Amino acid sequence: AQSVSQHNHHVILSEAASLELGCNYSYGGTVNLFWYVQYPGQHLQLLLKYFSGDPLVKGIKGFEAEFIKSKFSFNLRKPSVQWSDTAEYFCAVKREYGNKLVFGAGTILRVKS
Amino acid sequence: SQTIHQWPATLVQPVGSPLSLECTVEGTSNPNLYWYRQAAGRGLQLLFYSVGIGQISSEVPQNLSASRPQDRQFILSSKKLLLSDSGFYLCAWTVQRYQETQYFGPGTRLLVL
Repeated sequence: AQSVSQHNHHVILSEAASLELGCNYSYGGTVNLFWYVQYPGQHLQLLLKYFSGDPLVKGIKGFEAEFIKSKFSFNLRKPSVQWSDTAEYFCAVKREYGNKLVFGAGTILRVKS
Repeated sequence: SQTIHQWPATLVQPVGSPLSLECTVEGTSNPNLYWYRQAAGRGLQLLFYSVGIGQISSEVPQNLSASRPQDRQFILSSKKLLLSDSGFYLCAWTVQRYQETQYFGPGTRLLVL
């Protein structure tokens, strides 16, 4: 069965620090990859996605993620975090023609001002 | 544009009572619909999904059931709630097309006492 691992459950950063959240998945076939974010008190919303093409994907609010197929990874990055980035971040994977998303356990990011 | 509604937003129920959570989608036809449960530190667990009226796939055997009586309505039910059913329940939808994204509702927080 597919699984998704997010390496850090809690991350605390100061404003302007760089961010990288790790995500690895276990599935050998073609996948679609997603990062979702849940700000305090808000809906789960899509941050960025990868279906095909350029493995470096740009999302909203200055986030980007890089798909490295050989490492089964889709790490999320942001060069300089802001206090408003405090949220929980979820990596999710779907088989290319599948119906189902498999989520990681989530990473809670707290940015100190 | 498409919107997804869930109600109630919060629910407190005694052990052994029945449950009915409702999810409706507006602005699209024939969506795939999903129920997830979100638990702290464990990400989102897919409970049920549906590709059409009356078609339900169960992912995790448990005390819950789902129904899809109408194209854009998805209901999560239980005949007798357990303490372990407490959690945050999210409904999601996606268009039935290749390479599509799942969009999530606001969720229902259920507390079973």
